[in-house]
Amino acid sequence: EDKVVQSPLSLVVHEGDTVTLNCSYEVTNFRSLLWYKQEKKAPTFLFMLTSSGIEKKSGRLSSILDKKELFSILNITATQTGDSAVYLCAVTFGNEKLTFGTGTRLTIIP
Amino acid sequence: GAVVSQHPSRVICKSGTSVKIECRSLDFQATTMFWYRQFPKQSLMLMATSNEGSKATYEQGVEKDKFLINHASLTLSTLTVTSAHPEDSSFYICSASVGVAGGPGGELFFGEGSRLTVL
Repeated sequence: EDKVVQSPLSLVVHEGDTVTLNCSYEVTNFRSLLWYKQEKKAPTFLFMLTSSGIEKKSGRLSSILDKKELFSILNITATQTGDSAVYLCAVTFGNEKLTFGTGTRLTIIP
Repeated sequence: GAVVSQHPSRVICKSGTSVKIECRSLDFQATTMFWYRQFPKQSLMLMATSNEGSKATYEQGVEKDKFLINHASLTLSTLTVTSAHPEDSSFYICSASVGVAGGPGGELFFGEGSRLTVL
């Protein structure tokens, strides 16, 4: 059965800290892995990863994929209170459907 | 980025009534749209894949007669919750991709979601 597992489920850190969120998957016919940030409403797209070892960056956020070990990490440096959200990892398995992980709830304390 | 509009954002209805939720791609054509359901503090669960001009594909465990999906044009998909009951109360989110989801340039864009409360 295809599945996506995120860890930790929740994380509380102080502003300025660096955090690493994990996403592992078990899949047949992997196509891509996507990261989303969800605040109060719908998720907003962060990154799409298809190749191993190529880091994608956007400001203080970065992500990388390891297709051999079947996982991805999302790093956030110098965290700010606006980074507080649920971070969702999703994987496509050779078709157009996304399977989402459980999410990591990140809380940044001022 | 691409814009997906969902309407209504919030709806309250009585048990037994039907509710329609619309999902529109505003600046691109989407041959495929997806409908998700999200319970509080849980992740998104795919309900069905909406295909323009053909029948929707439902995930296992999702009642197709209860959750009617119509994808009449390349920019509009609708989800109708028929004979709604309190257990149908949830956050419903649609998404669409510019290209093939998961492929190059094929990231999904989400609507703002619709919160359904059935009394």
